[in-house]
Amino acid sequence: AQSVTQLGSHVSVSEGALVLLRCNYSSSVPPYLFWYVQYPNQGLQLLLKYTSAATLVKGINGFEAEFKKSETSFHLTKPSAHMSDAAEYFCAVSPPITGTASKLTFGTGTRLQVTL
Amino acid sequence: GAVVSQHPSRVICKSGTSVKIECRSLDFQATTMFWYRQFPKKSLMLMATSNEGSKATYEQGVEKDKFLINHASLTLSTLTVTSAHPEDSSFYICSAEPGQGDIQYFGAGTRLSVL
Repeated sequence: AQSVTQLGSHVSVSEGALVLLRCNYSSSVPPYLFWYVQYPNQGLQLLLKYTSAATLVKGINGFEAEFKKSETSFHLTKPSAHMSDAAEYFCAVSPPITGTASKLTFGTGTRLQVTL
Repeated sequence: GAVVSQHPSRVICKSGTSVKIECRSLDFQATTMFWYRQFPKKSLMLMATSNEGSKATYEQGVEKDKFLINHASLTLSTLTVTSAHPEDSSFYICSAEPGQGDIQYFGAGTRLSVL
């Protein structure tokens, strides 16, 4: 069974400051990992994904995440926060099986607040 | 990029009525679609996996007779909440997968309020 833990349900940073959203996973095999962003009353938008290629993954809007097997982590970072980054962020995991529908397991989400 | 349209975005209904939510992949064919439910300030919980032309696979604890899923074509899946009750009020989100094991693209969600 897979699971995802997002430490910190709420993170607040100043505009221009570093953003760090934490995600740890549990899986019997190296999984595929994803970060999604959700704006109020909207669906989810994929920020980036890790599928066993490069461990440092760059996504949209200046976000990136690093897969660290030894730490079972996939933390999301952005060097400089912008007001428009304020949203809910979800880390998700799926089994690394191709040819079958990928069932995502989501973390509980982290709400990012960006202040002036 | 791939676009998934979900309709309606918001619906208010009386207790006991049924509500249908549509999920369409606009620019790709989706063999598989997923239906999620999101409670306030909570994560997304997978309700069922919908495969075109076959019966949906429901997650444990999800009543298949309560949440009817139909995936009649490669671009359309519907979720019908039958005999809705206030406890069914929630945010329902669908996603579609262009190919098996591919990225899921999400709809904008439907907020259901049952009075």
